[in-house]
Amino acid sequence: IAGITQAPTSQILAAGRRMTLRCTQDMRHNAMYWYRQDLGLGLRLIHYSNTAGTTGKGEVPDGYSVSRANTDDFPLTLASAVPSQTSVYFCASRQGPSNSPLHFGNGTRLTVT
Amino acid sequence: QQQVKQSPQSLIVQKGGIPIINCAYENTAFDYFPWYQQFPGKGPALLIAIRPDVSEKKEGRFTISFNKSAKQFSLHIMDSQPGDSATYFCAASASFEGAQKLVFGQGTRLTINP
Repeated sequence: IAGITQAPTSQILAAGRRMTLRCTQDMRHNAMYWYRQDLGLGLRLIHYSNTAGTTGKGEVPDGYSVSRANTDDFPLTLASAVPSQTSVYFCASRQGPSNSPLHFGNGTRLTVT
Repeated sequence: QQQVKQSPQSLIVQKGGIPIINCAYENTAFDYFPWYQQFPGKGPALLIAIRPDVSEKKEGRFTISFNKSAKQFSLHIMDSQPGDSATYFCAASASFEGAQKLVFGQGTRLTINP
């Protein structure tokens, strides 16, 4: 089934540890995004990539980094996790302009202790 | 200026009722307004969307009303069903700093009681 695959589904991580959340899409979409979802705050953009080889900062980029080595993969790395990064993380992609649908993965629930 | 404010945070409606979720924005650069529906354990999925040159759009039981002068838009669900129970997000899209970005509202947790 075409779509976005995120891994892991959930993770408990000790503060200070490094963690990479994986995201792979098989729709050949150019643009990819990472959002975090927190109750009462909605979905906030962390980083994005308009095309392979390029990345940009979103609304809440601090403490996170991304890379886009190819079209399909867009990993999100927490270099040194902190409790405030406890959240549900969603990867998304879309093809084309801003009025094309955003396709989301099923999320990674991350708890930083 | 990139914010989208959504209300209410939660809403409980009886089956058959018409829940209404409201959103407001400030930045007139926004040019596309989608609504996303999210079920527990899943990612959001596009439900319906509208552009600012249209005042209303209807798809099945879902209707978006758009007021450009007030910079407000809302989602109405006709003949609501328990299966409509989900979290709903409004969003607005525009080009910021050379990239197309989608800004989401805070979300509304909707419960439809049987």
